[in-house]
Amino acid sequence: AQSVTQLDSQVPVFEEAPVELRCNYSSSVSVYLFWYVQYPNQGLQLLLKYLSGSTLVESINGFEAEFNKSQTSFHLRKPSVHISDTAEYFCAVIKNAGGTSYGKLTFGQGTILTVHP
Amino acid sequence: DAGVTQSPTHLIKTRGQQVTLRCSPKSGHDTVSWYQQALGQGPQFIFQYYEEEERQRGNFPDRFSGHQFPNYSSELNVNALLLGDSALYLCASSTGPSGNTIYFGEGSWLTVV
Repeated sequence: AQSVTQLDSQVPVFEEAPVELRCNYSSSVSVYLFWYVQYPNQGLQLLLKYLSGSTLVESINGFEAEFNKSQTSFHLRKPSVHISDTAEYFCAVIKNAGGTSYGKLTFGQGTILTVHP
Repeated sequence: DAGVTQSPTHLIKTRGQQVTLRCSPKSGHDTVSWYQQALGQGPQFIFQYYEEEERQRGNFPDRFSGHQFPNYSSELNVNALLLGDSALYLCASSTGPSGNTIYFGEGSWLTVV
């Protein structure tokens, strides 16, 4: 079975400061990795994903995440946050079997990012 | 391009009642999964439907059942509601049961009183 641990339940930060949201996973098989964002009272939006290739993946709104296989981590970072980044962020994994996923996401508990002016 | 749509957005039910939640997948997607997100928790996988059959199931009791229609839309049914069933129910869709790009709807908020 897979498990995902998000090391911080809440991260407060000031606007324009850098931020890192930490994610570690455990799995006996290879996985694909994802970050989803959930704004208040809304569903989940896919932020970025790692399937293969370059271990550094980027989103269109300035977030990036790096897959570290040896440390089984997939931390999310942004060099300068905005008020609008305030949301809950979820790290998730899917089992990868030879390039094919099993289609079932396993999520972490979430990290609430609060950006203060 | 319509994304994943769910209905209703909010509902309140009494313990012991039954509820049906509905989902239409994103255009071009043929696989639907359902997740339960309790307050303050990450989403938990309930089950996945593809070709009108349940393909995978998470650790949920038989009170949770589903259906997929020929147009790929899906329903989630929960019988004998418990207070602990109060949660946000999220529908997700993908292309094929092994699809690794999964899109979510806005969810249905269920409150059991």
